[in-house]
Amino acid sequence: SAVISQKPSRDICQRGTSLTIQCQVDSQVTMMFWYRQQPGQSLTLIATANQGSEATYESGFVIDKFPISRPNLTFSTLTVSNMSPEDSSIYLCSVGTGSYNEQFFGPGTRLTVL
Amino acid sequence: RKEVEQDPGPFNVPEGATVAFNCTYSNSASQSFFWYRQDCRKEPKLLMSVYSSGNEDGRFTAQLNRASQYISLLIRDSKLSDSATYLCVVRRAGNQFYFGTGTSLTVIP
Repeated sequence: SAVISQKPSRDICQRGTSLTIQCQVDSQVTMMFWYRQQPGQSLTLIATANQGSEATYESGFVIDKFPISRPNLTFSTLTVSNMSPEDSSIYLCSVGTGSYNEQFFGPGTRLTVL
Repeated sequence: RKEVEQDPGPFNVPEGATVAFNCTYSNSASQSFFWYRQDCRKEPKLLMSVYSSGNEDGRFTAQLNRASQYISLLIRDSKLSDSATYLCVVRRAGNQFYFGTGTSLTVIP
């Protein structure tokens, strides 16, 4: 497994502002992912963070709204831009590792947009 | 049709009971299968990978049925601490992961 930390753990933001979430892993990993989980819902994949190239976004998510950086194999950031209350959610980063590429999750960032 | 489907529950069982969850997946090319546990307001944590031959870890047994495209999780001798949401996860080629909506379990004293 991997030890994953996220910052901030929670934030309350004003509409129209942006928030950058950091994800740090204690070992080098090839696969890093960003998910969103709304209350009572399952996880929705936002994008795969690729080291050295642009992130791969899932349907319904765009780079202008959720820019992602992946400068090396242990770190990634997700920015939630021009926030609205609909962006209130838990944002989780995960890494894929192990024999079956099991995913391990960071503790999440709980975002509330007023 | 959803990629992964689970009965959302809730399952309310007494301590010591045996409970089973099923999960079906739609794509026969799916390669790897997992059960995760998610406690309230926490991140999902890997409970078990599911192997083709089935596997057991203490009170937990996971089975895979490729012909019928479902996986199961059996919990024996339920403990209060087993109360959580159990997520079924399927991986396809290209490292595409699909999450079920989760099955809620409450173990009652």
